[in-house]
Amino acid sequence: AQSVTQLDSHVSVSEGTPVLLRCNYSSSYSPSLFWYVQHPNKGLQLLLKYTSAATLVKGINGFEAEFKKSETSFHLTKPSAHMSDAAEYFCVVSDPEGTGKLIFGQGTTLQVKP
Amino acid sequence: EAGVAQSPRYKIIEKRQSVAFWCNPISGHATLYWYQQILGQGPKLLIQFQNNGVVDDSQLPKDRFSAERLKGVDSTLKIQPAKLEDSAVYLCASSLGRGGQETQYFGPGTRLLVL
Repeated sequence: AQSVTQLDSHVSVSEGTPVLLRCNYSSSYSPSLFWYVQHPNKGLQLLLKYTSAATLVKGINGFEAEFKKSETSFHLTKPSAHMSDAAEYFCVVSDPEGTGKLIFGQGTTLQVKP
Repeated sequence: EAGVAQSPRYKIIEKRQSVAFWCNPISGHATLYWYQQILGQGPKLLIQFQNNGVVDDSQLPKDRFSAERLKGVDSTLKIQPAKLEDSAVYLCASSLGRGGQETQYFGPGTRLLVL
């Protein structure tokens, strides 16, 4: 069975400071991993995905994530937060050989203070 | 390229009433998904279609929920009768193919409140 745990339900940073959103996964095989962002009253948007190529994955809007198999982690980072980054972020796992079913974490709310 | 369309955006009903949601996926996408997102939680897959066939409906409460995708394009999700715990956002997503590496594109969702 697969699962994801987002270690922080709420993260608050100041504009211009680094962002770190933590995610650990559990999977019996090498998974596909995704980060999605959800702005209020908008649909989920893919930030980036890992599918067993490079372990450091670059996404949109300056976000990146590193797949660490030994730590079963896929943390999301950004060097400098912008006000527009305030949103809900979801870490997601999927079986790359499966049907495409996504297993979502509980979400992390990112607050960006001016 | 047009995204995934959903309607209505909001719906308020009383318990035991019925409700239907509609989804139009991205043109050419063979796979369509319905997710339920309860407040404060991540989305949970209800049902997955490949063209007009069901791939996974293991988490669909079949005593009250039903879904169809008759011509392999649009889809409807129905709840009858609704319960208070069905209050949630219902998200439709689509992908070009089927598989764990595919990118799923999500619609804006339908927010349902059951009173």
